[in-house]
Amino acid sequence: DARVTQTPRDKVTEMGQEVTMRCQPILGHNTVFWYRQTMMQGLELLAYFRNRAPLDDSGMPKDRFSAEMPDATLATLKIQPSEPRDSAVYFCASGLVDTGGTEAFFGQGTRLTVV
Amino acid sequence: QKEVEQNSGPLSVPEGAIASLNCTYSDRGSQSFFWYRQYSGKSPELIMSIYSNGDKEDGRFTAQLNKASQYVSLLIRDSQPSDSATYLCAGARGSQGNLIFGKGTKLSVKP
Repeated sequence: DARVTQTPRDKVTEMGQEVTMRCQPILGHNTVFWYRQTMMQGLELLAYFRNRAPLDDSGMPKDRFSAEMPDATLATLKIQPSEPRDSAVYFCASGLVDTGGTEAFFGQGTRLTVV
Repeated sequence: QKEVEQNSGPLSVPEGAIASLNCTYSDRGSQSFFWYRQYSGKSPELIMSIYSNGDKEDGRFTAQLNKASQYVSLLIRDSQPSDSATYLCAGARGSQGNLIFGKGTKLSVKP
């Protein structure tokens, strides 16, 4: 059963702490997206990778957020230092690009609460 | 700013009726469009993709695309209470671009 796996599922942390979220994309997919979802803003694209190379991270606050793909089976999103306004659900999605477009499949998400 | 706009709803329809969900986009370079369904507390689930003008049918779902009007819609025939969810529209610049989502329309199907 191919699916995107995210860890942890839930994370509660204190303001100022570092948070690392991990994503295992579906085997064979060459595109990985990171999204943040809140009630007010909906799904916001933070960053995405194609063949492990970052293509766009303009949606990410550069001073505290960083995203990497150390290998084809792992994508990470790090927040340092975390702030209460970072509380949200963070989704990773992966897809296989073709000439038509990229159908993206989502992981279960990481619910982050910063207190 | 590339945007995808949706009416937030809620859209309420009786069971068995046709639900019509609409979406407009501002980026004329967008070439591919997707509809996702998201149940409360769950992750978005892809239900339809459409790349060409016209209609695309899959079971009870029909996606419609009009690139001239920059308009995408999703019709759900014979709506069921299990269709109650938030429906997200997304667009991308073909195979090169990022995937931008609207804020979603909440659909409620009443028994």
